[in-house]
Amino acid sequence: QQKVQQSPESLSVPEGGMASLNCTSSDRNFQYFWWYRQHSGEGPKALMSIFSDGDKKEGRFTAHLNKASLHVSLHIRDSQPSDSALYFCAASEGTGYQNFYFGKGTSLTVIP
Amino acid sequence: AQTIHQWPVAEIKAVGSPLSLGCTIKGKSSPNLYWYWQATGGTLQQLFYSITVGQVESVVQLNLSASRPKDDQFILSTEKLLLSHSGFYLCAWSRLGPSAETLYFGSGTRLTVL
Repeated sequence: QQKVQQSPESLSVPEGGMASLNCTSSDRNFQYFWWYRQHSGEGPKALMSIFSDGDKKEGRFTAHLNKASLHVSLHIRDSQPSDSALYFCAASEGTGYQNFYFGKGTSLTVIP
Repeated sequence: AQTIHQWPVAEIKAVGSPLSLGCTIKGKSSPNLYWYWQATGGTLQQLFYSITVGQVESVVQLNLSASRPKDDQFILSTEKLLLSHSGFYLCAWSRLGPSAETLYFGSGTRLTVL
């Protein structure tokens, strides 16, 4: 059973537009979430982490976490062609040794 | 700054041949180390993790093995490759800390088994 579900599977937005990606967990033990971005042929890179309810903003990226519903989202404003990539949501139970659970990813295409 | 180096960048191997992939982390002592496998465009499947030298735990059984001969080195290997081993192999590390720590990936090794 996939513990982290992402939607949509793929998304196309025009350059300058807003991209919204969603992630839901089925495990209430998950308290810590990350968003990763992977360009083709490269390793995933951590975009941002979010551990508390509410919004977290880093530049053009805003993550939102609702622990009650185990839902986390990522919003990319003013999308650029360089944002075209595979985006993964990851979840973890917490401290010490950590087991990270990844969703299947959302493929984002920004159309110039 | 911490750096993670994976080798080789890519491999093309025959079914039944042996394989060894490596990973070195510099600038961080006693990291948690991980091996992940990714099918093309697919999700990240954790294969192994290691908290300390000489200790490796398997997460899934894929006829692969891993070893941590040094604090900063993680090796993935098999004696006989299968077609299903093709994919993208990623080494990763995280700190062992009092709170949740981010996972950092290497640039990966592309393996093609023919």
